[in-house]
Amino acid sequence: EVQLVESGGGLVQPGGSLRLSCVASGFIFSSYSMTWLRQAPGKGLEWVSSLDSSGGTTYYTDSVKGRFTISRDNSRNTLYLQMNSLGDDDTAVYYCAKYAYVSGSNWFDPWGQGTLVTVSS
Amino acid sequence: EIVMTQSPATLSVSPGERATLSCRASQNIRSNLAWYQQKPGQAPRLLISGASTRATGIPARFSGSGSGTEFTLTISSLQSEDFAVYYCQQYSNWLTFGGGTKVEIK
Repeated sequence: EVQLVESGGGLVQPGGSLRLSCVASGFIFSSYSMTWLRQAPGKGLEWVSSLDSSGGTTYYTDSVKGRFTISRDNSRNTLYLQMNSLGDDDTAVYYCAKYAYVSGSNWFDPWGQGTLVTVSS
Repeated sequence: EIVMTQSPATLSVSPGERATLSCRASQNIRSNLAWYQQKPGQAPRLLISGASTRATGIPARFSGSGSGTEFTLTISSLQSEDFAVYYCQQYSNWLTFGGGTKVEIK
């Protein structure tokens, strides 16, 4: 069974930093592109960042460019999201998700259960 | 950026009835559309990709149609477990989601 388990969320002050982790199991992690998405309280879904299977190519939504860094450790089956200069608009549940197929898919299956990041003083 | 617009925002349906959800793209996305279901407190679950291909394990009562800019998710006979929020996502040009349609019990 494919499983994705996020951790690292919590309460952080504006301007602070946080690193999220997502441990994967049940599939060959090193073969799949991975992604982070988020959902602000009571709001819809937003794609945040993706990276390819090797970690060599990364993509970001404009609002997090220069502040967030996505990375992975294929030896540990773990995906990361380093978040710096956090602002109120970054408050959300952050989900990691697997690209559905090794190649040729830009939809996500499955998603982890999410980890809540709250930016507040 | 491609803007995805879902309608209605809320759909009230009785169990056993058909539900029809719409998703419109601001430009042609061909069939590069996925649908997800999200229940309260849970992560989204993939229902459909390629506008009409059901994901593994998704019941046949869920069907997707459309191409270009107009898409539809149909739930043929609503079951109690289908009351949830549904999101469409385009992947033709980067990745954007619609605002969601909440399917509630009438």
